[in-house]
Amino acid sequence: EDQVTQSPEALRLQEGESSSLNCSYTVSGLRGLFWYRQDPGKGPEFLFTLYSAGEEKEKERLKATLTKKESFLHITAPKPEDSATYLCAVQASNQGGKLIFGQGTELSVKP
Amino acid sequence: GAGVSQTPSNKVTEKGKYVELRCDPISGHTALYWYRQSLGQGPEFLIYFQGTGAADDSGLPNDRFFAVRPEGSVSTLKIQRTERGDSAVYLCASSLLGGSSGEQFFGPGTRLTVL
Repeated sequence: EDQVTQSPEALRLQEGESSSLNCSYTVSGLRGLFWYRQDPGKGPEFLFTLYSAGEEKEKERLKATLTKKESFLHITAPKPEDSATYLCAVQASNQGGKLIFGQGTELSVKP
Repeated sequence: GAGVSQTPSNKVTEKGKYVELRCDPISGHTALYWYRQSLGQGPEFLIYFQGTGAADDSGLPNDRFFAVRPEGSVSTLKIQRTERGDSAVYLCASSLLGGSSGEQFFGPGTRLTVL
């Protein structure tokens, strides 16, 4: 069964304190791994797509990496505005377009 | 251009009632997805449309749930005989091509509360 597990469930950081969020997955043929940001009361906002092991993508203070079993979202010198829930999702190559999401990591960055 | 829009933003109904939730995808996007998100959880897939047809409805929990997309643009998710367990945020997403191609862009969701 395709599955996505994110850790930790919640993470509290001080402004400027770098850290990483983990997304472990099992999928029968990975088509793509997606990272989204979700603010309270809003829909998920697309951040990155990774397609193959070894791939990396960056956007401002965020960098996403991918291996055959997991993905990391590295946050460098975070700011309070980075506070949000970060969702990881996988798309399997044999299941059309549906995304299978993890439960998310709630990040809080204090000034 | 405008993003995905969903109406209403909030819906409160009584157990046993019928509800309709609407989604307007990004103009030109051929694929449309419905997900359901419970508090503290990630979104859960319900149904996927490619054009007017439902390409994958494997996530619909039972036959009280039904969705249509008659003209290949706007979609309506219909829930009959609502139950308290149906309370959640219903999210709609669209993508340009669908299938395994491209990112999905989400709307703000409709928060459904069944009393």
